[in-house]
Amino acid sequence: EAQVTQNPRYLITVTGKKLTVTCSQNMNHEYMSWYRQDPGLGLRQIYYSMNVEVTDKGDVPEGYKVSRKEKRNFPLILESPSPNQTSLYFCASSLGQGPVVPQYFGPGTRLTVT
Amino acid sequence: RKEVEQDPGPFNVPEGATVAFNCTYSNSASQSFFWYRQDCRKEPKLLMSVYSSGNEDGRFTAQLNRASQYISLLIRDSKLSDSATYLCVVSRSASKIIFGSGTRLSIRP
Repeated sequence: EAQVTQNPRYLITVTGKKLTVTCSQNMNHEYMSWYRQDPGLGLRQIYYSMNVEVTDKGDVPEGYKVSRKEKRNFPLILESPSPNQTSLYFCASSLGQGPVVPQYFGPGTRLTVT
Repeated sequence: RKEVEQDPGPFNVPEGATVAFNCTYSNSASQSFFWYRQDCRKEPKLLMSVYSSGNEDGRFTAQLNRASQYISLLIRDSKLSDSATYLCVVSRSASKIIFGSGTRLSIRP
């Protein structure tokens, strides 16, 4: 089954404690991206990757890091989380051909930073 | 002003009705357009692309008006299962993918 998986699904943490949200896809997609969704603001792109070892900033990259060492994995790293990073996070992937937009989303990770 | 704007709704319509909603965008350099649906507390799902000539997928019709800078989604013969939030997406490049905040649709029996 074609899917994007994220872990953990729910996370409550404290300010400053480094965390990683994993994302994996099994469709051999080249394009992967991370979004955060906040009420009234819609989904905003954090980082995206067009292929292995190629990552670029989206609209709201501050406070986040990513890496793309393998095609299937695209972890999101928060080195020093702050309360304004409390949000619902989605990882997404697509083949990367034609107009590049997310084709499949993961189930989401609800993060609370206290 | 937001780059992509949608009426948040909710649109509350009876089963079987036809419903349409629009999405306006402000950047004329926008190249690609899409509709997604998102069920409550779930991930967005790509519904359909929007082509300049308009396109149809079953009960769903999407249209693009570049002159007035809006896209529309029309749902015919609405089903209870169509209840969801519909997100429009406007793309200029891989780094400029803008999601609207969504229009909430509720279909009543």
